[in-house]
Amino acid sequence: AAGVIQSPRHLIKEKRETATLKCYPIPRHDTVYWYQQGPGQDPQFLISFYEKMQSDKGSIPDRFSAQQFSDYHSELNMSSLELGDSALYFCASRFGGLNTEAFFGQGTRLTVV
Amino acid sequence: RKEVEQDPGPFNVPEGATVAFNCTYSNSASQSFFWYRQDCRKEPKLLMSVYSSGNEDGRFTAQLNRASQYISLLIRDSKLSDSATYLCVVPPGTDKLIFGTGTRLQVFP
Repeated sequence: AAGVIQSPRHLIKEKRETATLKCYPIPRHDTVYWYQQGPGQDPQFLISFYEKMQSDKGSIPDRFSAQQFSDYHSELNMSSLELGDSALYFCASRFGGLNTEAFFGQGTRLTVV
Repeated sequence: RKEVEQDPGPFNVPEGATVAFNCTYSNSASQSFFWYRQDCRKEPKLLMSVYSSGNEDGRFTAQLNRASQYISLLIRDSKLSDSATYLCVVPPGTDKLIFGTGTRLQVFP
């Protein structure tokens, strides 16, 4: 079965650079979530999209932006990268509303040096 | 108070033991509850969904107590491969998924 695909799997950037993370949800899933997980931390909700519209926003810095495209894939754009942005970034998708399960991609490990 | 709180752990148990974790949530509007398992540096993987009073899948049982606003996860006959972090996820009546801090389980021989 198709799963959530994230790319790239690993990314190394320098401070003040920009990065773009991509997420391809499971086919027919209409909701996409982005999470940031630092070392030893639980996943922190960044932002979500439902049917290509932003549906909720969490602790996403102003330097970050995201969107969901017509084919339902989503991109997380991160600018002016800081050392503290180094983390594992997960994308998850679900279909059908509040009470359905979400499935996660394998994540993108971002290292800012 | 955090929206979703879990037993701090770590739980160190021998193979074959029964272990239970609790997760409390603050938003009474929550209707669905999920347990995910996360291995080190990997993505969370869905373990169980709970929509009514509980759910059982083999060695795993999840119970929901709406009055006290907590869910529990019981693992019977623990295996070495059960060693992982168990995350409680509670949608607070909106679209986002709120994770608990996770409970680390270490099963030893």
